[in-house]
Amino acid sequence: EDQVTQSPEALRLQEGESSSLNCSYTVSGLRGLFWYRQDPGKGPEFLFTLYSAGEEKEKERLKATLTKKESFLHITAPKPEDSATYLCAVQEPGGYQKVTFGTGTKLQVIP
Amino acid sequence: EAQVTQNPRYLITVTGKKLTVTCSQNMNHEYMSWYRQDPGLGLRQIYYSMNVEVTDKGDVPEGYKVSRKEKRNFPLILESPSPNQTSLYFCASRRPNSPLHFGNGTRLTVT
Repeated sequence: EDQVTQSPEALRLQEGESSSLNCSYTVSGLRGLFWYRQDPGKGPEFLFTLYSAGEEKEKERLKATLTKKESFLHITAPKPEDSATYLCAVQEPGGYQKVTFGTGTKLQVIP
Repeated sequence: EAQVTQNPRYLITVTGKKLTVTCSQNMNHEYMSWYRQDPGLGLRQIYYSMNVEVTDKGDVPEGYKVSRKEKRNFPLILESPSPNQTSLYFCASRRPNSPLHFGNGTRLTVT
């Protein structure tokens, strides 16, 4: 069964301390890898889509990268408002277009 | 504003009392899906619909029903809720090969 694994489960950073979140996947023929941000009690909010190895996307302090087996979400000089759970999801090939989610990384940025 | 609307946001009920959670989207998306989110298990797909009158089981369909009579609406039905269905539920919609748009969730408690 195709799997999506995120690490670490939780991450605590000081404000300004850069770090990376990892998402590894086993799906063959990836049709897209998505990153979402989820605040407590709210629905996931879309951040990035990556389609092919080598691709990078940036938004403010966040940069997402993709290799053949994993993706990284780099957070540069984070601020307390970046605290959230970050979810990774992969779209499998085929007409069904199933999207499988990882369990997320809970990020806490301390002032 | 493009959005997915779920109701109610919070629901407390008793075992065996039928309930329906509504979901509506205004983006003319063909694909809609229901997920449940539980601590440590992430988002798991319950049912999905590729178009009107076309629905299929996801990974955890037991105890749930859905219908898709109109493109914009995709209600989730629990005919005889049980305590193990206590969870946070999300409805989502998307265009093909595009990110999912999520509602703000329904927190269900079954006692």
